[in-house]
Amino acid sequence: SAVISQKPSRDICQRGTSLTIQCQVDSQVTMMFWYRQQPGQSLTLIATANQGSEATYESGFVIDKFPISRPNLTFSTLTVSNMSPEDSSIYLCSVVTGSSAAFFGQGTRLTVV
Amino acid sequence: GENVEQHPSTLSVQEGDSAVIKCTYSDSASNYFPWYKQELGKRPQLIIDIRSNVGEKKDQRIAVTLNKTAKHFSLHITETQPEDSAVYFCAASPPGTGNQFYFGTGTSLTVIP
Repeated sequence: SAVISQKPSRDICQRGTSLTIQCQVDSQVTMMFWYRQQPGQSLTLIATANQGSEATYESGFVIDKFPISRPNLTFSTLTVSNMSPEDSSIYLCSVVTGSSAAFFGQGTRLTVV
Repeated sequence: GENVEQHPSTLSVQEGDSAVIKCTYSDSASNYFPWYKQELGKRPQLIIDIRSNVGEKKDQRIAVTLNKTAKHFSLHITETQPEDSAVYFCAASPPGTGNQFYFGTGTSLTVIP
């Protein structure tokens, strides 16, 4: 398994501002993933973050809106830029271990007002 | 890309009864199928998984079955307890995607004492 620390756990932000979410893993992992989970909904993959290269974004998500950094094999950040109320959601980071199992951070509950 | 469908969206059972949740997937190349339990306000937790070379896997009261021909897999919970109440998500992971997961829409399970 992997221990994932994500922060902040929650935040209330003004529209038009940006929030950076941090994800720290207790072991080195090749890929980290960022998901969005809207209230009562399933998990939607935003992007895959590889160390040493640009993140790969899923359809409907763009780098200008959700820039991602991956400076090393244990850390990643996701920024939600120029926020609007529609960005209110839970954002989760995830890693996959050698057994193929995915483990999640505790999530960041974002409210944009 | 992979498309995972999950049924039912809500399920209520009496304590002690069994619960079954079903998922279908579209990509016949998918080879890893985990199930996650998410309690309110918490992160998804892996409860059981199965690989495409196995037809069934059990872990105490939880079992998963896989039918590769029909492209569906199911979660079975026996002797349900109130603490089993949660949202359950199935997922599928195709090869060559860097361990990306495609999640079902979730099943809200309520176990009535």
